[in-house]
Amino acid sequence: AAGVIQSPRHLIKEKRETATLKCYPIPRHDTVYWYQQGPGQDPQFLISFYEKMQSDKGSIPDRFSAQQFSDYHSELNMSSLELGDSALYFCASSSLLALTSTQYFGPGTRLTVL
Amino acid sequence: DAKTTQPNSMESNEEEPVHLPCNHSTISGTDYIHWYRQLPSQGPEYVIHGLTSNVNNRMASLAIAEDRKSSTLILHRATLRDAAVYYCILRDGSGGSNYKLTFGKGTLLTVNP
Repeated sequence: AAGVIQSPRHLIKEKRETATLKCYPIPRHDTVYWYQQGPGQDPQFLISFYEKMQSDKGSIPDRFSAQQFSDYHSELNMSSLELGDSALYFCASSSLLALTSTQYFGPGTRLTVL
Repeated sequence: DAKTTQPNSMESNEEEPVHLPCNHSTISGTDYIHWYRQLPSQGPEYVIHGLTSNVNNRMASLAIAEDRKSSTLILHRATLRDAAVYYCILRDGSGGSNYKLTFGKGTLLTVNP
C-alpha cells in the first residue's frame, strides 16, 4: 500500500539559510500534520492542514510557514535557520472521513543545521 | 489535552507477553485512547485504539479499565522487532479537524533475545 512520502530524506544547511521540506500524503487523505522531533526528544506537533486550510497550530516558530496544495501535498518552509532547528521532521496524513482519523507517518526528513 | 502517565522503560524477553500500562485519570467521555510506537530511526506507527471496550488487532490488544482511567497495551508474544518507544495518547473524538497527536514521555520497551 502507498505510504506517506517525504523529501528530501536528509538535508544539511548552514545557519541563516532556508529549507523546504515536502510531504506527499497517502492518496485520498485530506489532512496533513507536521511534527518536529529534536535529538532525544518526543515528537512535537507543529501545524496541520485539512482540505488545504490550516486546521491547527502548535509550537511552530514564526520563521516557519507551511501550506497544503491542491493535490494535497504539503510543504514546510523554514527560514533563517538556527542550530536548534536540527531535528527530524515528520509528516503524517489521515482521512477525516475515517472515524478516528488514524495518522500515518512518513519516514521523516533529517535536517542538520551547521 | 488530557495527560497520560507511562513508565519510562520496561524490559521483556522474546516470545513472552508484555503489558504496557498507561494512566489517564483526567480522561473525558469523548477521548479515544490511542497507542503509537516509534521504532529506532523511524516515524511513529499506529498500533491500536479504543474508547470503552477492549480491542484486538493483529499487532496487539488493548485492555481498558471500566472507569477508563487506565489502559494496558498487550503484546502477546514480544519479538525483537517490537523494541520501540510506545506512546499512549488521548485524542478527542467529538468531531472537527483538530486531531493532532500530543506525544508524552512514552515507554521504551527493550526486548531481550
